[in-house]
Amino acid sequence: EPEVTQTPSHQVTQMGQEVILRCVPISNHLYFYWYRQILGQKVEFLVSFYNNEISEKSEIFDDQFSVERPDGSNFTLKIRSTKLEDSAMYFCASSQTSVETQYFGPGTRLLVL
Amino acid sequence: RKEVEQDPGPFNVPEGATVAFNCTYSNSASQSFFWYRQDCRKEPKLLMSVYSSGNEDGRFTAQLNRASQYISLLIRDSKLSDSATYLCAVNRNTGNQFYFGTGTSLTVIP
Repeated sequence: EPEVTQTPSHQVTQMGQEVILRCVPISNHLYFYWYRQILGQKVEFLVSFYNNEISEKSEIFDDQFSVERPDGSNFTLKIRSTKLEDSAMYFCASSQTSVETQYFGPGTRLLVL
Repeated sequence: RKEVEQDPGPFNVPEGATVAFNCTYSNSASQSFFWYRQDCRKEPKLLMSVYSSGNEDGRFTAQLNRASQYISLLIRDSKLSDSATYLCAVNRNTGNQFYFGTGTSLTVIP
């Protein structure tokens, strides 16, 4: 069964550093998403991406964040100048259409020290 | 008002019990509804989509009540392996983000 993959599984970084989280969505999916989940809290939407551009973003997704689809398979989330409060699990998801089921990757656990 | 609300629980039930969770949503324009299961420190995994006519998958039954703006999940004959957090997710027809509830924690006790 096809699945979303994410790398790395864990990332530890110093405050102020840049991190890039990588995702490979399911191959025939057209919509890609990033969510985050702070420990003990709910899953929160960050951004959605379709046709090589951002289609929707939340208030959390400020200028510190950017997304890119650098090639035909990868989808990345870049966090510039990380802050302590960026520590969370970051999930990538993909779907075939904008209203169908979103399938989640295993997540990257980011710890900012 | 929150987009999606769930009773966080915890629900502690004996094996074999029937347990039901509700999830309310605030936006009447919401179009798609889902139940996900999340194990500790893992990703949400789709349990089932929720259709207007209601749907069943083995021991799991999901229902949608548009008039009252809630969805429900019923688990019959609970198994130890059903222990997890159950998330409801709602998608509006004006965007493609999912709004998640905080999740309802279920522990099935031997």
